[in-house]
Amino acid sequence: GENVEQHPSTLSVQEGDSAVIKCTYSDSASNYFPWYKQELGKRPQLIIDIRSNVGEKKDQRIAVTLNKTAKHFSLHITETQPEDSAVYFCAASKAGDYKLSFGAGTTVTVRA
Amino acid sequence: EAQVTQNPRYLITVTGKKLTVTCSQNMNHEYMSWYRQDPGLGLRQIYYSMNVEVTDKGDVPEGYKVSRKEKRNFPLILESPSPNQTSLYFCASSPTQGTGEQYFGPGTRLTVT
Repeated sequence: GENVEQHPSTLSVQEGDSAVIKCTYSDSASNYFPWYKQELGKRPQLIIDIRSNVGEKKDQRIAVTLNKTAKHFSLHITETQPEDSAVYFCAASKAGDYKLSFGAGTTVTVRA
Repeated sequence: EAQVTQNPRYLITVTGKKLTVTCSQNMNHEYMSWYRQDPGLGLRQIYYSMNVEVTDKGDVPEGYKVSRKEKRNFPLILESPSPNQTSLYFCASSPTQGTGEQYFGPGTRLTVT
């Protein structure tokens, strides 16, 4: 089955700096890569996703890049703010498959 | 309001006492799924359902059962809970299969002593 590895497990950044989280996946057939944000005590919520026919996708201060050859994808958060402090999960799945495999999560702390 | 609900939100029980965690969605989604969240392990899929009466195992199905008799409901059943099933459980639903946004419920914190 799919194996998704996520790094780093914790990340502390100064407010205003950028944060980058990286994930690798094992199944070359995977073609859908979402990112979920989970604030303390809350449920995970989708913040951005990318499909394999796209190399990069942006939404305001967040962006995701995908390298299918290397089987890795990354989340970039620019101009970090205190409200970006949360746990971020990457995930992978493929068309025709009903399973979604998550990474172990990255705890991001934005220091004021 | 479109939502996924779970009950109970918190549960403390003893080893071997059967329990059911309910999950309901009002968005007419075909796809529903159960996850457990443990520190350092992320979210692991327990079971999923593609439609009424169609379910399949995820990555960690041992010790769990599910049923999907109605489109809106997808209960998780622990017939003989054990301490290693102490975890935070999330139900999720999606209008598509695995390749679309999943809407998570609020979570159920289960402790088995």
